[in-house]
Amino acid sequence: DAEITQSPRHKITETGRQVTLACHQTWNHNNMFWYRQDLGHGLRLIHYSYGVQDTNKGEVSDGYSVSRSNTEDLPLTLESAASSQTSVYFCASSESNIREWQLGDEQFFGPGTRLTVL
Amino acid sequence: GNSVTQMEGPVTLSEEAFLTINCTYTATGYPSLFWYVQYPGEGLQLLLKATKADDKGSNKGFEATYRKETTSFHLEKGSVQVSDSAVYFCALSEWGGAQKLVFGQGTRLTINP
Repeated sequence: DAEITQSPRHKITETGRQVTLACHQTWNHNNMFWYRQDLGHGLRLIHYSYGVQDTNKGEVSDGYSVSRSNTEDLPLTLESAASSQTSVYFCASSESNIREWQLGDEQFFGPGTRLTVL
Repeated sequence: GNSVTQMEGPVTLSEEAFLTINCTYTATGYPSLFWYVQYPGEGLQLLLKATKADDKGSNKGFEATYRKETTSFHLEKGSVQVSDSAVYFCALSEWGGAQKLVFGQGTRLTINP
C-alpha cells in the first residue's frame, strides 16, 4: 500500500547543530508540504513543493530549508537548531496538478517527528 | 491574510451526547474547507470537506456545512462515541490551486463512557 513515512520519529539535539528530518511518500504525489505543530497554533506551513526542483517558503520558513531532487522525498533541514524549533513536524503530500486549479484535494499526512532542541 | 478560528478546548462529553465544534474563517476568494482529525500518536486524517458554499461534508456520522454568509464550517455529530476522542482541526485551502492549508488551533475532544 502507498504511504508516507517520516524519520526519525523522535530526535533530541543541541542548539546550533544541523538536523535533517526525512519524509518519503510512495503515492507518487506531485505536492509535498512540511508543517510544524505547536500548542495553541495548530499546524503552520514551513515549506512546500509542487514538483521536482520546486520549493517555496511557507508561513514560518526562517531557519529551515528543503530540497526536492525526486518525487518521493522532501527532506527538511534545520541549518542551526534553536530551542524555538522544538516542535512536532508533519510532512504531507497531495496529488493535484495546480494547473488544473483543482481544489479540495486531500493531503495525506505522515506520523510526525517529535524534535527537541536542548 | 487567511485565517481559521476554532472554539477553544478541551471539550469533554459523555458518550451519546451531541457534539458541536465551532469554526469560522477569514479568506479572500473561494476557499475549500476541511475538518481533519488527529488520533493520539498519529498524523492527521481528513474527516470531511466542502468545496463551495452550501455544500455539506459528511463522514463517520460527522457533518459540516459550508456557510459563506456566516463564514463558518461548524462540525456536528448527533451521538458521540469514546472512539471519537481526538484532536479536531478545521482548515481552509487557499483559492487558486495553491493547495496550501491554513489550520485552526485544534480542539481536543474527550468522550467519557
